[in-house]
Amino acid sequence: GESVGLHLPTLSVQEGDNSIINCAYSNSASDYFIWYKQESGKGPQFIIDIRSNMDKRQGQRVTVLLNKTVKHLSLQIAATQPGDSAVYFCAEIVTGGGNKLTFGTGTQLKVEL
Amino acid sequence: DSGVTQTPKHLITATGQRVTLRCSPRSGDLSVYWYQQSLDQGLQFLIQYYNGEERAKGNILERFSAQQFPDLHSELNLSSLELGDSALYFCASTPWDSPYEQYFGPGTRLTVT
Repeated sequence: GESVGLHLPTLSVQEGDNSIINCAYSNSASDYFIWYKQESGKGPQFIIDIRSNMDKRQGQRVTVLLNKTVKHLSLQIAATQPGDSAVYFCAEIVTGGGNKLTFGTGTQLKVEL
Repeated sequence: DSGVTQTPKHLITATGQRVTLRCSPRSGDLSVYWYQQSLDQGLQFLIQYYNGEERAKGNILERFSAQQFPDLHSELNLSSLELGDSALYFCASTPWDSPYEQYFGPGTRLTVT
């Protein structure tokens, strides 16, 4: 498959375990955050978002946690499945500034059977 | 399938040449964003258009230009190509009622030889 970065951190988990992917963001003015999943050969796919006035948001099998004090985001995937294998990016937005996404480096998630 | 289409899927050209990448947003989406994904710099925002007008600019080189047409499709023009321009180029569009949720196309892989 395609590589999206020379030095991507990699997280390997067993199928059925929970995964936690971390991201440090850079801009304290960012007020909206999104997690994207990118499978090999495809474009990024929206997973879940969170506004800066929240510290937790849950979706289907995924939870995003936001700690603004230390500018840290995490994505938790419950009961990880082989189909979850992909590169995961966090992205930050300063709303009202054109809504351009600033992406983090990405983390390669590998699910082992 | 995000509903965003990009053509061509692959493009191989020589240094010094000029190419045009095309993007059709999802039906009804007015905003189009262009991103470059390279091995050494990850996903980088290039430029945004909203209903035909340039809305925001990111790390876009002067050799690159873009436009959005009345039918809302967009083109990214890359000229005087260099080896370092080899990358994946993605466009994304957003719905009017969820301006932060960007839907990405499958990308165009540009190889400059």
